[in-house]
Amino acid sequence: DGGITQSPKYLFRKEGQNVTLSCEQNLNHDAMYWYRQDPGQGLRLIYYSQIVNDFQKGDIAEGYSVSREKKESFPLTVTSAQKNPTAFYLCASTPLGGYNEQFFGPGTRLTVL
Amino acid sequence: QKEVEQNSGPLSVPEGAIASLNCTYSDRVSQSFFWYRQYSGKSPELIMSIYSNGDKEDGRFTAQLNKASQYVSLLIRDSQPSDSATYLCAVNMRDSGYALNFGKGTSLLVTP
Repeated sequence: DGGITQSPKYLFRKEGQNVTLSCEQNLNHDAMYWYRQDPGQGLRLIYYSQIVNDFQKGDIAEGYSVSREKKESFPLTVTSAQKNPTAFYLCASTPLGGYNEQFFGPGTRLTVL
Repeated sequence: QKEVEQNSGPLSVPEGAIASLNCTYSDRVSQSFFWYRQYSGKSPELIMSIYSNGDKEDGRFTAQLNKASQYVSLLIRDSQPSDSATYLCAVNMRDSGYALNFGKGTSLLVTP
């Protein structure tokens, strides 16, 4: 089955700890995105990547880092510099080339202990 | 700052009625518009996309776009309790790699 997978589903982080959220897709999509959702809020863009080995900051990139070494994978690291990381993290992908529909993975819920 | 605005609701409609959800956007050059449905604790699910002025129908859903008024809406006919969810309006941002700019969502409650 084609789709986007995210792991883990739930993640707990201690203060000062870095954690990495996984996002994998087998849709052969070029572009991938990370969004953050807080309760009662819309989604906000953290990072995006349109091709392998290239990525750009979104609106709220501070305290986060990404890599794009393979077309299928776009992991997000939440660093200790992110002061309020508790949120629902969503990964999405789309074919490259304009105003295409984006499809989302199931999400990772991160909680800081 | 490019904005996408939605009424937060909750919007309550009886089963079988038409639910009308509205969205306005500030970026005049926006070209594509999407409606996502999100159940509590789940990820957004795409239900409609629209690119041209006018109406687009898919089953019980109709999306309406008016670029001159910078307005997009979603109508849900014959609303069912299973339609109870948060509906997110989203607009492509060409200058951010075609990422989506989301409204905060409208909560819909369909009562039996």
